[in-house]
Amino acid sequence: DQQVKQNSPSLSVQEGRISILNCDYTNSMFDYFLWYKKYPAEGPTFLISISSIKDKNEDGRFTVFLNKSAKHLSLHIVPSQPGDSAVYFCAASEGGTSYGKLTFGQGTILTVHP
Amino acid sequence: DSGVTQTPKHLITATGQRVTLRCSPRSGDLSVYWYQQSLDQGLQFLIQYYNGEERAKGNILERFSAQQFPDLHSELNLSSLELGDSALYFCASSVVVVGEQYFGPGTRLTVT
Repeated sequence: DQQVKQNSPSLSVQEGRISILNCDYTNSMFDYFLWYKKYPAEGPTFLISISSIKDKNEDGRFTVFLNKSAKHLSLHIVPSQPGDSAVYFCAASEGGTSYGKLTFGQGTILTVHP
Repeated sequence: DSGVTQTPKHLITATGQRVTLRCSPRSGDLSVYWYQQSLDQGLQFLIQYYNGEERAKGNILERFSAQQFPDLHSELNLSSLELGDSALYFCASSVVVVGEQYFGPGTRLTVT
């Protein structure tokens, strides 16, 4: 049972345009969400997070939106740059518990064309 | 560079053998996590330690064990290795029990 799903295996956008990556979850106990970026042969790199008490969090070119009723979150990258090309993972944790286990989606490969 | 180090980078071994993967967390981080990434399973949580004590367990096989030492580095021991254990093993660390986790570069294990 996959509790965090990224239904788009890949996304291709033009440099300067917006990239929107989507993520759905099924576990209603999740209350802390994160996005990671991963290049080949490297570990995941933390990008941005959001707590369930918020519906939006912004950090530079990256914005994460959370829709709790739909159990959906998205990552917006504006403007997209070729260096953003990587695999993006969404992750979730039951932040109210006493442990920090992250449940990851399967990832979306983002390609930004110059 | 996340500040989390893992050794070795690559490991090739035979079925039935035992290996130890090592992780040093970022300076000041008390919590260490181990994840396995295989082609068909994605990133799967294995186990978490906080300040030397086991805090949470995921789908970790009984053949696998881990510990966190007083200097906060951690080791993941994999024994009676099978072909299916071939994967990338990542260590991550965080300051507190729940929060952003910072990942090391991983150890690629190949079991032949």
